[in-house]
Amino acid sequence: QVQLVESGGGVGQPGRSLRLSCAASGFTFSDYGMHWVRQPPGKGLEWVAVISWNGRHNYYADSVKGRFTISRDDSKNTVYLQMSSLRAEDTAVYYCAKDPPGGSGYYYGFHDYWGQGTLVTVSS
Amino acid sequence: DIQMTQSPSSLSASVGDRVTITCRASQGVSNYLAWYQQKPGRVPKLLIYGASTLQSGVPSRFSGSGSGTDFTLAISSLQPEDVATYYCQKYDSAPFTFGPGTKVDIK
Repeated sequence: QVQLVESGGGVGQPGRSLRLSCAASGFTFSDYGMHWVRQPPGKGLEWVAVISWNGRHNYYADSVKGRFTISRDDSKNTVYLQMSSLRAEDTAVYYCAKDPPGGSGYYYGFHDYWGQGTLVTVSS
Repeated sequence: DIQMTQSPSSLSASVGDRVTITCRASQGVSNYLAWYQQKPGRVPKLLIYGASTLQSGVPSRFSGSGSGTDFTLAISSLQPEDVATYYCQKYDSAPFTFGPGTKVDIK
């Protein structure tokens, strides 16, 4: 069965960096685009970033562009989110999520499986 | 970028009631619209994609309709286990923006 397990969350200081990981299993990881979605405490969902199945294409929300970098290592079935220049407003549960099957482009854009999430708190 | 809105922001209905939630895109997204259910303390779950296609395993009391800019999620007969926040998401092109959510409670 599909499993997505995030790690790397915790407390990060404003202006510093943090790297999140998402280990995938139960499907052919290299065939699917992967996403990060975040949810501030008590608030709604915010889509953050996507990386294509081949790792050559990505896209970011304006709120994180230039500060966050998504990457993948297909040999480890893992997708990463490198978070730099952290701000208080980056405080959220971060979910990784996979594209569904059937897309014809670099990525599909909605999510059939989600991880359990990892909490990032930005505070001094 | 296309903005997504939802109405109402919250609703309270009785068990067995028909419930409808509206999602509106600021520009047309064709039928590239998904709906998710997030129960309190839980991970979001995909309900509908392609505006009207039910994800496998989702009860048939859920249905979706619409195209272009206006979409609707309907629950034909509200059940206690449907208490949740419901989000729409457009996926015609990046960024894959979510709506702000609609919280559904039992009256």
